[in-house]
Amino acid sequence: QVQLRESGPGPVKPSETLSLTCTVSGDSLSGYYWSWIRQPPGRGLEWVGYINHYGTTDYSPSLRSRVTISIDMSGNQFSLRLRSVTAADTAVYYCARGSDSGTSPRTVWFGPWGQGSLVSVSS
Amino acid sequence: DIVMVQSPDSLAVSLGERATINCKSSQSVFYSSNNKNYLAWYQQKPGQPPKLLIYWASTRESGVPDRFSGSGSGTDFTLSISSLQAEDVAVYYCQQYSNTPPTFGQGTKLEIK
Repeated sequence: QVQLRESGPGPVKPSETLSLTCTVSGDSLSGYYWSWIRQPPGRGLEWVGYINHYGTTDYSPSLRSRVTISIDMSGNQFSLRLRSVTAADTAVYYCARGSDSGTSPRTVWFGPWGQGSLVSVSS
Repeated sequence: DIVMVQSPDSLAVSLGERATINCKSSQSVFYSSNNKNYLAWYQQKPGQPPKLLIYWASTRESGVPDRFSGSGSGTDFTLSISSLQAEDVAVYYCQQYSNTPPTFGQGTKLEIK
């Protein structure tokens, strides 16, 4: 049974870089689109981006200039970096496995999800 | 971006009764080439991550009880819970994956009456 777990250093100061890692167990990283989705406190869900095992990425247009997702096949992990954060980036960040819909460019549905990591941006 | 709008925002239903949640997309998420609707539904219980319930608008994810069903096509979709159980209290989200970026509805909060 595949499980995902987010980890990261905790609170981030404005203008700094948010970094999170998702460790996947029970599944290979091949064949899926490994995704980050965020949820501001008390609000809805926003897709951040994904990566596949070839290193192909796609990002939300609203975040593209600040986000990088990378993959570590040997460690069965993928990571998120979001630069120049502000308070608006405060959210629970979820990692999730994305299943390929077959569209071009690829779009996905998400499941399973990690438990989430709350990242607060505050001075 | 495709905008997803759910209705109602909140819903209270008696135990054992039927619950119905609607989702409308700003453009069609149906592909005639494969006769599929690119729509998923998720359940998020308090303090938990979302859980995939349904994809391709009507295909239940493995392990999801059969009281959950999805229907609709094009721009209008429905998630139905045939006989509400106490453990179904949650926020429900629809999501389109027809176009990038994938987008979610604002959520519908389901409570017990």
